[in-house]
Amino acid sequence: GDSVTQMEGPVTLSEEAFLTINCTYTATGYPSLFWYVQYPGEGLQLLLKATKADDKGSNKGFEATYRKETTSFHLEKGSVQVSDSAVYFCALSDPTGNQFYFGTGTSLTVIP
Amino acid sequence: GAGVSQSPSNKVTEKGKDVELRCDPISGHTALYWYRQSLGQGLEFLIYFQGNSAPDKSGLPSDRFSAERTGGSVSTLTIQRTQQEDSAVYLCASSLESRSEQYFGPGTRLTVT
Repeated sequence: GDSVTQMEGPVTLSEEAFLTINCTYTATGYPSLFWYVQYPGEGLQLLLKATKADDKGSNKGFEATYRKETTSFHLEKGSVQVSDSAVYFCALSDPTGNQFYFGTGTSLTVIP
Repeated sequence: GAGVSQSPSNKVTEKGKDVELRCDPISGHTALYWYRQSLGQGLEFLIYFQGNSAPDKSGLPSDRFSAERTGGSVSTLTIQRTQQEDSAVYLCASSLESRSEQYFGPGTRLTVT
């Protein structure tokens, strides 16, 4: 079945460090891929998405590229800020089914 | 416009009692999802509604859990004879159609004592 596997946390970085959170997926067909973010005390919100191979989603300095050949959608940011501290979830939407599949989440803490 | 709303925001109940959790999706969104998020865990899919189609109940953990969606809008998740392991944050999300991005509500934190 479809699934998403993402890098286990927690991740702690210093401000201005480079961030990578790995995400790989298993799916039939051509899923859409998403990164959601959950800031402390808030609900999940969409960070970025990509709907087809080689698409790059970007928002707030974050970006992720849909790589079909490696079935990956790694999240990157060149210089993290304290305000980026949150839990990040990778997800896919299966075109042949009704469900979204979420990863287990990666907690990021950025220290000044 | 208004986002997804859920009520109550917090619910404390005694083991064995029934609870109802409510979700108001974004107007015009045809798809509605319920998830459960336990402490330190990811999102566990519970149930999915799409328009007037029969719901996908494949994620419901037991027959104590049920959900309905009236008039293609408001949804209620009911947990009967609650158990302590039901304690979690229950999240509702809606999307314009299946496969498009989901918009999440703030969740209902359920504590079973």
